[in-house]
This record gives sequence, structure tokens and C-alpha cells, in this order.
Amino acid sequence: DGGITQSPKYLFRKEGQNVTLSCEQNLNHDAMYWYRQDPGQGLRLIYYSQIVNDFQKGDIAEGYSVSREKKESFPLTVTSAQKNPTAFYLCASKQEYAEAFFGQGTRLTVV
Amino acid sequence: RKEVEQDPGPFNVPEGATVAFNCTYSNSASQSFFWYRQDCRKEPKLLMSVYSSGNEDGRFTAQLNRASQYISLLIRDSKLSDSATYLCVVTSVSGNTPLVFGKGTRLSVIA
Repeated sequence: DGGITQSPKYLFRKEGQNVTLSCEQNLNHDAMYWYRQDPGQGLRLIYYSQIVNDFQKGDIAEGYSVSREKKESFPLTVTSAQKNPTAFYLCASKQEYAEAFFGQGTRLTVV
Repeated sequence: RKEVEQDPGPFNVPEGATVAFNCTYSNSASQSFFWYRQDCRKEPKLLMSVYSSGNEDGRFTAQLNRASQYISLLIRDSKLSDSATYLCVVTSVSGNTPLVFGKGTRLSVIA
């Protein structure tokens, strides 16, 4: 079945630690996106990639990094520079002008 | 003015009621429009695309008004299972530029 998969579903991070969230899609979509959602809030764009080996900062990129070495994969690293990382992280992919498909999300908590 | 604005609600309606949500967008060059549904602690899922001519899917009707820059969603004969947050989504000029999300409108259908 085609789809987009995020892992892990739940992630706990210690202060000062970097963690990487996985996002994989087999929909053959060119574009992939990372969003952050805080409780009761809308989705805010962190990074996006329109094509392999290229990506752009979104509205809240500080403290995050990404790579796009393969079309299928767009991992997000939450670095220690991100001071308030506890949130629900959503990865999405889409083709031009079409709707986006979302992974099931990763819930990150700082402990 | 925010790019995409929605009334956050909550809209509390009885079963069987008709309810309508509006969403305004600021970029007149926006090309694609969608309504997504998001259940609590889950990822957003596409409810329907919004076409210039308007479209209907069962109890749901979406309309686009380019002149006034708003889209609408009408839900007829509300069911308990319609309780969710409804997200208005807009894309800009180029096909794979990021989706811009409204903060969502919360709907509670009450028995």
C-alpha cells in the first residue's frame, strides 16, 4: 500500500540532546514538508523540500535541520538549539497542485 | 492580515443540524484549496478539494469565492462522528509551494 510513514510515534528527548524524526513515503511525490503543531494550535511549517537535494526553511526553522538525499526520505533533526521542542510533528508529501498526505505524526516530549 | 483565517469556534450543534464554516485567504494568486479534517491527537486527513465551480460529496458541500477570497464548507444533517477540527488549506502560486493552514474550526455535534 502506498503511503507516508513517520517513526517513532512517541519520542522522549533529554535536555541538550539531538533527536531525529523519520519520514518515508512511497507515493513517488516530489515535495515533502515538516510541520509542528502545539496543543490547540494550527500547523506551522518548519522545512520543506520540493525536490531531492534541495530544501527551504519554513516559518519556524530555527533549532531544526533536514536532509533530502533520497526522494522517499525527509528526516528532521531537532537540535539542542530548539528550546521548546515538545510538540506534535507532522510530515506530509504531495504532488504538484494536488492534496497533501500526512504521516501519523511523532509526539516529542522533553524530559 | 494572516494568510488563512478561520473562526476557531467551537461550534456546538445538535445532531441533524446544518452548519457552515468560512475561511478567508489573503493571497489572491492562490491556486488550490482544500478542507481537511483533524481528529484529536491525529494527523489531518483530506475531506475535500474545493473547485471553482463548487463541489459536493454526500452531506458536504464546498464553495470557492475568488472575488471575495473565501472558501466555505457546509455540512448537512450533522452526525456525532462529524465532531472534529476542520482545517482550511490553501496553496500559493507554484504547485509545490507549501500548503498554508488555517488554525482550524472546532465542531462538536451533540446528541
